[in-house]
Formats: sequence, structure tokens, C-alpha cells
Amino acid sequence: QVQLVQSGAEVKKPGASVKVSCKASGYTFTGYYMHWVRQAPGQGLEWMGWINPNSGGTNYAQKFQGRVTMTRDTSISTAYMELSRLRSDDTAVYYCARDRRYYDILTGYYTPSYYFDYWGQGTLVTVSS
Amino acid sequence: EIVMTQSPATLSVSPGERATLSCRASQSVSSNLAWYQQKPGQAPRLLIYGASTRATGIPARFSGSGSGTEFTLTISSLQSEDFAVYYCQQYNNWPPSITFGQGTRLEIK
Repeated sequence: QVQLVQSGAEVKKPGASVKVSCKASGYTFTGYYMHWVRQAPGQGLEWMGWINPNSGGTNYAQKFQGRVTMTRDTSISTAYMELSRLRSDDTAVYYCARDRRYYDILTGYYTPSYYFDYWGQGTLVTVSS
Repeated sequence: EIVMTQSPATLSVSPGERATLSCRASQSVSSNLAWYQQKPGQAPRLLIYGASTRATGIPARFSGSGSGTEFTLTISSLQSEDFAVYYCQQYNNWPPSITFGQGTRLEIK
């Protein structure tokens, strides 16, 4: 079965960086985009960006460009999200979420749908001095 | 950026009754819309994608409709496990963006 297992909670000081991991199992890691979504305490969901694990290509939400880096290690089926120059308002639960790809009959390729069908358990990142 | 606005913020409904949740986009997103359910302490769960297609394993009491800028999630007969927060999410091709609504809390009346 598909599983996304994230790394544990982190406490960081303002200005520091954090790197969260997401280990995938139960499917072909390189076949599906991986997204990162965060949720501040008591707040809604905020999409941060995606990575194509096959090519390493990325697309970041404008809000996070310059501060976020998404990478992957295909040898261990793991995606990473690193956020730098942390501020107190970066305190949130960070989720990885698999893209629910679909088969495009016109192109004959599997294509990302930009919907999220499997989610990790979340990683709480607390930014506090 | 496309802004998604959900209404109401909180909806109180009795078990067994129908619940109707709304989501409005600031510009057309065609049918590129999904609905998620989130319970306290849990990750969101995909319910509906493509505005009206149920995800795998989602009960038939959940249905989605709409296109363009107006979307609806209907839960036909509320079960106790359906009380949660619901989010809509859009994907836009250009400029590429993914945004969520602020959520609707569905509570027991």
C-alpha cells in the first residue's frame, strides 16, 4: 500500500533552515510528482510547490521562491523540502502529498493532475527564539 | 493568484440530513477543482477531483458539482464520521498555481 512517512518534529530559531524528508513506499517513486503543503496552527492549507522525482524539476509557489528548495534521492525513494530564513510565521505542519496522476490518451503519457491522493502524516516545524 | 472563497465558514447540520458546501473561484478554473476532508490531527483526504469525480473509496453520499467559478460539495445523509473541515482546491494552468479555500467546518447540530 502507498505510504508517505515524514521525518519528526523540528524546533528552529528565526533565521535558520529546516529540511523535512518524506519517504515513499508502495509505488514507483519516480512516476508521480510530489507536492508540499503546509498548515499553520488552526489555519487552512497552503501549497508550497512540487517536485518531479523523475527529472528533479521543480515548481515553487511564488510566495516561497528564493526560500524553498525541493530535492529528491531516488535511490531511497525520498523527497525533501528545505525552507530557509525561517520566521515565526513559518511555524506550521508541513505535509508531503503525492500527485494523483492520470493517463492522457492524447499523448500516451501519464500526466500530473495537481490533486493530492496520498499524504504524509505531517511534520510540525516550530520557529521560536 | 486565484482566490478560492468557501461558504459558510461553519455549517451546523443534524446527522441524517443533507449538507451543502460552496466554493467560489475569483476567476474560472474550468473543472480543475478538488474537495478534501480533514479531521483533527489528521492529514487531509481527497474526496472529489475534477469537480465531480469521487476518489477511490469515497462513499456515494459525497457528490461534487459545478464548473467555472461556482462549485458545490453535497453530502446527502450525514454520518457521524463526516463532521470535519472541508477544503476546496483549484489548479490553474496559466499562470500555474494551486490554491485552497479557507475551509468550511461542518459541525453537529
